[in-house]
Order: sequence, then C-alpha cells, then structure tokens
Amino acid sequence: ETGVTQSPTHLIKTRGQQVTLRCSSQSGHNTVSWYQQALGQGPQFIFQYYREEENGRGNFPPRFSGLQFPNYSSELNVNALELDDSALYLCASSYRGETQYFGPGTRLLVL
Amino acid sequence: EDKVVQSPLSLVVHEGDTVTLNCSYEVTNFRSLLWYKQEKKAPTFLFMLTSSGIEKKSGRLSSILDKKELFSILNITATQTGDSAVYLCAVDFQGAQKLVFGQGTRLTINP
Repeated sequence: ETGVTQSPTHLIKTRGQQVTLRCSSQSGHNTVSWYQQALGQGPQFIFQYYREEENGRGNFPPRFSGLQFPNYSSELNVNALELDDSALYLCASSYRGETQYFGPGTRLLVL
Repeated sequence: EDKVVQSPLSLVVHEGDTVTLNCSYEVTNFRSLLWYKQEKKAPTFLFMLTSSGIEKKSGRLSSILDKKELFSILNITATQTGDSAVYLCAVDFQGAQKLVFGQGTRLTINP
C-alpha cells in the first residue's frame, strides 16, 4: 500500500509569484484535504476535494485554489504569493469522511 | 467559533517519565477527536476517539475522551527519546470536511 506523497519537498518563491503543489493520495482513498501549517502552529484547513469537486473550504482567500484529478491526486495553487504564505503545506487523504492520513508536506518559503 | 486548545505547549522530561498531554475543545457538531504525532513533517495518526470513557491503547500510549467536560488526554508511559515530537490534537465534525487542530504540544525527552 502506497502512502500519501507530496512534491516538491521544498520550494522558494518571491512575492507575487504563483506556485503549484502536488499530492498523490493513499491507495484506496478518494478524498484529499489541504492544510497550511505556520511555524509553531497547528495545521489550518484550506479546502477538501472529493470526486473532483471542492467539498468544504476554510478561511483562505480565493487566490488559494485546487484541483482533483480522476486518479484522486490533487494540486494546490497559490497566486500572488505573500510573505505570510511561507509555511508547511500538508495534504491528507481519506476514504470519504474516514480518518485522514497525512503526507510529508511541502515547505514553502516566500521571499 | 470552533476552538481546540492544547496544554502544555511545551514539556521537557527525562527518559522513563510518564507524561500527560491535554486537549480541550469547544465545537459544534462534534464527531470525533484525533491525536497525531508530528516528528519532522508528516503528522502520523495515533488515535481516534468517539465515545466518552473508553480508553484507546497502543503500546505505551493511551488516550481517553470526556464528552461531557469536552476534553481528552494522551498518556505516554516509560517515555523514550523517540517519543520526542509535537503531539497534535484535532476535532472532526458531523457534516463538515475539515479537521480543526490545536496548537500542539512540543514534547522533548532527555536521556
């Protein structure tokens, strides 16, 4: 059984740029959730995708957007990057509403 | 507003000690409470608790939920240096897709 994988592991961008982060869900899972974890904080829910549709969203602006593909993998896109977007971005997969299992994350630094 | 609060935020003990980590919550439509261990990046799942008073146990780790008083504790007995990590508590909701996390407890086990 393959766990949740994310790419890239690290990324450095400058303010105003755009970034795409990728997530492959665990085998048998059809739901992907994205979280942002700032240093010293718990993860904050960004949104969730189920069957290629957004299925819940946290308090994040529209410049945070996502996609889910037919194989259940997912992308998180962030436009017009700001310094405060620097964080660890975690992807979690689950089967519908069951327990979420997390990937290793992508650490994004915005300069 | 849904809120999850963990205490203490940081804890340093010696190997072999027993520790108790606390998690309290104020949420609507509670479904379950989850504990995760985060060592470097990926939070790894420890326990899911849905019913009051039923202890979940895995080796030296155990956890219990009190739905009347709205809290949970995570106990670790005979701690080892490998238990050093951030322990995250999260709440899951009926009819919603997000996990709401506490800030985490950073546990350091000194040899």
